Amino acid sequence: GNSVTQMEGPVTLSEEAFLTINCTYTATGYPSLFWYVQYPGEGLQLLLKATKADDKGSNKGFEATYRKETTSFHLEKGSVQVSDSAVYFCALRDSSYKLIFGSGTRLLVRP
Amino acid sequence: ETGVTQTPRHLVMGMTNKKSLKCEQHLGHNAMYWYKQSAKKPLELMFVYSLEERVENNSVPSRFSPECPNSSHLFLHLHTLQPEDSALYLCASSQDGASYTGELFFGEGSRLTVL
Repeated sequence: GNSVTQMEGPVTLSEEAFLTINCTYTATGYPSLFWYVQYPGEGLQLLLKATKADDKGSNKGFEATYRKETTSFHLEKGSVQVSDSAVYFCALRDSSYKLIFGSGTRLLVRP
Repeated sequence: ETGVTQTPRHLVMGMTNKKSLKCEQHLGHNAMYWYKQSAKKPLELMFVYSLEERVENNSVPSRFSPECPNSSHLFLHLHTLQPEDSALYLCASSQDGASYTGELFFGEGSRLTVL
């Protein structure tokens, strides 16, 4: 079945460091891929998305590229801020009602 | 301002109580969802409604009863819950075409504590 695997957290970085959160997926078709972010005490917000191979999603300095050959959708940001501290979820949707999430990666950015 | 509004944000109830969670979407979407988020567990899809018809019931215990009176409103009726049902309940909506490639829009969640 379809699934999403994310790197274990927490990830702890200093402000202005480079961020990578790895995400790989398994799907039978050609899924759409998403990154969601959850700040403390809040719901999930869509951060970025990509709907086909080689698409790059970007928002608020975050980027992720849909790599079909490696079945990956890694999240990157060149310079993180304290305000980026949150839990990040990779997700896929493969011609179905279901949005399938990874387990989430907690990011803590220290001043 | 969020396009998906959930009330109440926090709810504490005893095991014998009956309560309801409410969700309203202001986005004109045609599908609505309930997810459960427990500590240290993946997000669990509970129910999906498309055009007000239930299309997914993901082996959820009968003490959870969903209701979708129209495309903008979704309820989750709760009765005789267990302490392990304590979690954040997230409502979401989407505008789905034939290919289901779009994103879901989530509310802020209702934090439920069962004593």
